[in-house]
Amino acid sequence: DAGVIQSPRHEVTEMGQEVTLRCKPISGHNSLFWYRQTMMRGLELLIYFNNNVPIDDSGMPEDRFSAKMPNASFSTLKIQPSEPRDSAVYFCASSLRRKDNEQFFGPGTRLTVL
Amino acid sequence: AQTVTQSQPEMSVQEAETVTLSCTYDTSESDYYLFWYKQPPSRQMILVIRQEAYKQQNATENRFSVNFQKAAKSFSLKISDSQLGDAAMYFCAYNQGGKLIFGQGTELSVKP
Repeated sequence: DAGVIQSPRHEVTEMGQEVTLRCKPISGHNSLFWYRQTMMRGLELLIYFNNNVPIDDSGMPEDRFSAKMPNASFSTLKIQPSEPRDSAVYFCASSLRRKDNEQFFGPGTRLTVL
Repeated sequence: AQTVTQSQPEMSVQEAETVTLSCTYDTSESDYYLFWYKQPPSRQMILVIRQEAYKQQNATENRFSVNFQKAAKSFSLKISDSQLGDAAMYFCAYNQGGKLIFGQGTELSVKP
């Protein structure tokens, strides 16, 4: 199994540009999570999906952020327009929705907004 | 709301020695899971160990073990025979209802 795949691994963009981060979960997993990691705020859950349906998006910072999961093998996190304070590492994780809910993390995307 | 607190931003241990990382959490639930994740400089998040709240026996994975005190809401990680490869950020996490809530992390350095 290839694990959770994220692309790109690094993204540098200018303020005001649209950014799209991509995630392919582990095959067979039915829950998908997007996290953001910064020095100031640590690891924060942004949104998670069960069976492709968004369950909790209370962590999404503002309307500039949106996430979709059109099918069980693909999800996107979009920021439009991007701002320098969005600079962070964004992780995608997936799991089988079961009691212990062990989450498997992707390698992360380091986003820098200039 | 559930919260997770790691009171030690940094810890240091001599190679081959034992170190304990602290974690406390706050919850009103009775059934939940707790995890320790390791994040080396590669930034990959790696699961180290997990504990189910209903199990009184402390979880153990090779050199890693936990001291789970449910009444005190404490979940510490003990690393025995520390190795240079153990140097990383360690995050305690609480899981209930499908969400992971992380502590702020403890950066562990291992001295040769």
